[in-house]
Amino acid sequence: DTEVTQTPKHLVMGMTNKKSLKCEQHMGHRAMYWYKQKAKKPPELMFVYSYEKLSINESVPSRFSPECPNSSLLNLHLHALQPEDSALYLCASSQAFNLGGSYTQYFGPGTRLTVL
Amino acid sequence: TQLLEQSPQFLSIQEGENLTVYCNSSSVFSSLQWYRQEPGEGPVLLVTVVTGGEVKKLKRLTFQFGDARKDSSLHITAAQPGDTGLYLCAGEDTGTASKLTFGTGTRLQVTL
Repeated sequence: DTEVTQTPKHLVMGMTNKKSLKCEQHMGHRAMYWYKQKAKKPPELMFVYSYEKLSINESVPSRFSPECPNSSLLNLHLHALQPEDSALYLCASSQAFNLGGSYTQYFGPGTRLTVL
Repeated sequence: TQLLEQSPQFLSIQEGENLTVYCNSSSVFSSLQWYRQEPGEGPVLLVTVVTGGEVKKLKRLTFQFGDARKDSSLHITAAQPGDTGLYLCAGEDTGTASKLTFGTGTRLQVTL
C-alpha cells in the first residue's frame, strides 16, 4: 500500500478563519512533507518532519503552522491567510533518512485551498 | 542551487505517436523520480532510478538515468489519451536526503 490520504479535498476560507489540513499514511514512513503548488508550477517544499520532529522549514510565514502528532499523521494549521496563499497543498511521505538508499516520496491527492 | 530543466515544456501529439521527454541538470543526483500529475491531483510516482546508466521499463514507458546521474529521459511508445498529464522529474539531493529538486514540467496532451 503506497497511499497517502489528505482531507479535505477542497477548502474555501476567509482571511480571518482558522482551518487545518490533514494528511495520513500507513506505510511506516518516518519522514513527512508539506508542499505548496501554484497552477502550472512544480511543487515547492514548505516543511519536512523526520521522526515526528520538524527538520526543515523553508522560511514559510508563521500563518502556516505544521504539526506531526504521531508517525502516521501530519497537520497544517492555517490562520489569517492571504488570497495569494490559494494553491494546491500536497503532503508526501518517505522512508526515514538514516536508513540509506533512495528516499522516494509518495504524494497525497492534495487539498485545493481558496482564500477569499 | 540545483536546477532541473525539462524539455519540451509542452507537447501535443496524436494517439499512436512516440515521444521523449528530457530532464537535464549540471548537478549530480543520488536518485531521480518521475511523476505524472493530473489537474487538481497529487503527483503519482512512475519510477525511481538510482544507478547511473540504469534503464527501467513500465509497459510503454522507458526511463533512463544518465551515466553521470545528471540527466534522465522518459520515452513513451504508442502514446494513448490516458497518457495525458503533467510529467515531472525530481532529483534527490545528494547532500540532503529530504529535499527533491523538481523539474520545470512537461505538459503532454494526446489526442485521438
